[in-house]
Amino acid sequence: DTAVSQTPKYLVTQMGNDKSIKCEQNLGHDTMYWYKQDSKKFLKIMFSYNNKELIINETVPNRFSPKSPDKAHLNLHINSLELGDSAVYFCASSPGLAGGTGELFFGEGSRLTVL
Amino acid sequence: GDSVTQMEGPVTLSEEAFLTINCTYTATGYPSLFWYVQYPGEGLQLLLKATKADDKGSNKGFEATYRKETTSFHLEKGSVQVSDSAVYFCALSARGSTLGRLYFGRGTQLTVWP
Repeated sequence: DTAVSQTPKYLVTQMGNDKSIKCEQNLGHDTMYWYKQDSKKFLKIMFSYNNKELIINETVPNRFSPKSPDKAHLNLHINSLELGDSAVYFCASSPGLAGGTGELFFGEGSRLTVL
Repeated sequence: GDSVTQMEGPVTLSEEAFLTINCTYTATGYPSLFWYVQYPGEGLQLLLKATKADDKGSNKGFEATYRKETTSFHLEKGSVQVSDSAVYFCALSARGSTLGRLYFGRGTQLTVWP
């Protein structure tokens, strides 16, 4: 069983469309994250949820809206997609807030290409 | 603010060569430090960590020592293998951080040739 699973793995879409990426973890962790990795491999946190409560919301356009229906799921919805949104989006989880152990468990990533 | 600076890649080595990837950090207080590895087509995995000065983290033949005096956490391996080809990320978390935010370096691509 994959510990942190994301769907879809690949997403190709046109500018202006709306798309969602789903994430599920079966590790029983309390905290989940979305990270964005750009074409130069730079990794930046976007959002973090702890027990379904939003705790980190970096400077991200409000076209990006995370939703956590329960602590095992964290979805990312993106409205009005732009070319600059093309990236690999990683979901991750940790037992508690990662500042304690620093160990994040990452999914395999969802590569979004906006044409 | 807190940040991590890694040596720019890519790094290309022959099998059995010695590897060093430099990492320095800026942080208030004494952060915890980490190395993550990303194999092709996969997510990041924690490789090793150190939570206080002079600690040495080690795993799979890789080592890194937390040096407070030089604010560094360089990754080393004595003899690399083709299977070590991956992107390596240095990261820190601020001690006492209630938000659990990790700051990542820009990653260093390592390619090992047979």
